[in-house]
Amino acid sequence: GQSLEQPSEVTAVEGAIVQINCTYQTSGFYGLSWYQQHDGGAPTFLSYNALDGLEETGRFSSFLSRSDSYGYLLLQELQMKDSASYFCAVREYRGYTDKLIFGTGTRLQVFP
Amino acid sequence: NAGVMQNPRHLVRRRGQEARLRCSPMKGHSHVYWYRQLPEEGLKFMVYLQKENIIDESGMPKERFSAEFPKEGPSILRIQQVVRGDSAAYFCASSKKRADQNTEAFFGQGTRLTVV
Repeated sequence: GQSLEQPSEVTAVEGAIVQINCTYQTSGFYGLSWYQQHDGGAPTFLSYNALDGLEETGRFSSFLSRSDSYGYLLLQELQMKDSASYFCAVREYRGYTDKLIFGTGTRLQVFP
Repeated sequence: NAGVMQNPRHLVRRRGQEARLRCSPMKGHSHVYWYRQLPEEGLKFMVYLQKENIIDESGMPKERFSAEFPKEGPSILRIQQVVRGDSAAYFCASSKKRADQNTEAFFGQGTRLTVV
């Protein structure tokens, strides 16, 4: 089966840096994605890593190590609006099917 | 280019009624996915469809749930004889290409189903 593990909650203050880890067990791995979801809102795409290493997009960076089945999302210069849930997701492709399997989610609370 | 459109945004049904949830993918997207999210939980895969075909329904409950994506019109998730445990947010996502072609999935705003 597939499983992705994330911490359930992380707290930080404005301006700080926070790292949200994700470990996964899956087959047919085709990359690790990160999504942000505000309360009552839709998941929105943040980043995607298919290869090992760091991808940077503005204040957000994402890292992947396929040999360790591990990735993380790094959020810098935190702002209040970053308070949301963050999900890692594995794109599972097995030749006939193609779907995102989501982690349990990490609730980030940013305090002033 | 409009995003993924879902309707209704909120749906209230009494136990035993039917719920029909609609999803129009983004223009040019032929892959549609349905996910269910219970309060304070992650998104659980339900079904993956392409036009007129169900590709993977491994996440769908065996009874009362069905999905379709006709040649014309939106994708429909249908829940018959709803029970309180069906109360959740149902999200639809669409993408343009398959996973091996490295593309993201875009989500709609969801339909929040409440069974009373």
